[in-house]
Amino acid sequence: DGGITQSPKYLFRKEGQNVTLSCEQNLNHDAMYWYRQDPGQGLRLIYYSQIVNDFQKGDIAEGYSVSREKKESFPLTVTSAQKNPTAFYLCASLYSGSGELFFGEGSRLTVL
Amino acid sequence: AQSVSQHNHHVILSEAASLELGCNYSYGGTVNLFWYVQYPGQHLQLLLKYFSGDPLVKGIKGFEAEFIKSKFSFNLRKPSVQWSDTAEYFCAVNALGNTDKLIFGTGTRLQVFP
Repeated sequence: DGGITQSPKYLFRKEGQNVTLSCEQNLNHDAMYWYRQDPGQGLRLIYYSQIVNDFQKGDIAEGYSVSREKKESFPLTVTSAQKNPTAFYLCASLYSGSGELFFGEGSRLTVL
Repeated sequence: AQSVSQHNHHVILSEAASLELGCNYSYGGTVNLFWYVQYPGQHLQLLLKYFSGDPLVKGIKGFEAEFIKSKFSFNLRKPSVQWSDTAEYFCAVNALGNTDKLIFGTGTRLQVFP
C-alpha cells in the first residue's frame, strides 16, 4: 500500500535527550513536510524539503533538525534545545499534481 | 506574513443541522485553498480544495466550500450533518509564489450529537 509511515507511534523520553522521529514515503513525492500539532494551535510547520539534499526552515524550526538524504525518507530530530517538545508530530508529502498533502498517522512524543 | 484564521474553535450540533465553518486568510496574491479533516484516531485527509475556476467547490461526504476573493474567505458548509461528521476540521492556504508551503488554521472541533 502506498503512503506515509511514521515511527514510532508513541515515544517517551527524558528531558535533555535528543529524539529522532522517522518518516518514510513510497509515493514518489518530491516534497516532504514536518508539522507539529498542539491543541488549539492547529498544525505548525517545522521543516520542509522540496527535493533530496535540500530543506528549509518552517515557522517553528528552533530546536529541531532534519535531513533528506533519500527521496523516501525525511527524519526529524527533536533536540534538547527544543523548550517544549511534548507534542504530536505529523509528517506529510505533497502530490504536486493536485497540491494535496498526504499525512502519516503521527508520532506522539512525551518528554518526562 | 501569510496566516489563516478559523474563528469557530468548537462547534456542537445535532444531527440534521446545517454547518458552516469560517476560514479567512491573509495574503493578497493568488492562493490555493484546502479543507482537511481529522476523524478521531485517524490521520488527516483532504476534504476538498480550490485552485481556480468555479468558486463553489464540492468535496467528499456532501461538504462544499465557497471561495470569496473579496472577503479572503473559504468557508466550509454542509446542509445536514451526521454523527459521523464528528471530527476536527482544518483550513489551509498555499500562497502561490511562496514555495509549496501550506499554512494551516488552528482547527475547528465539530461534535455532532444524534
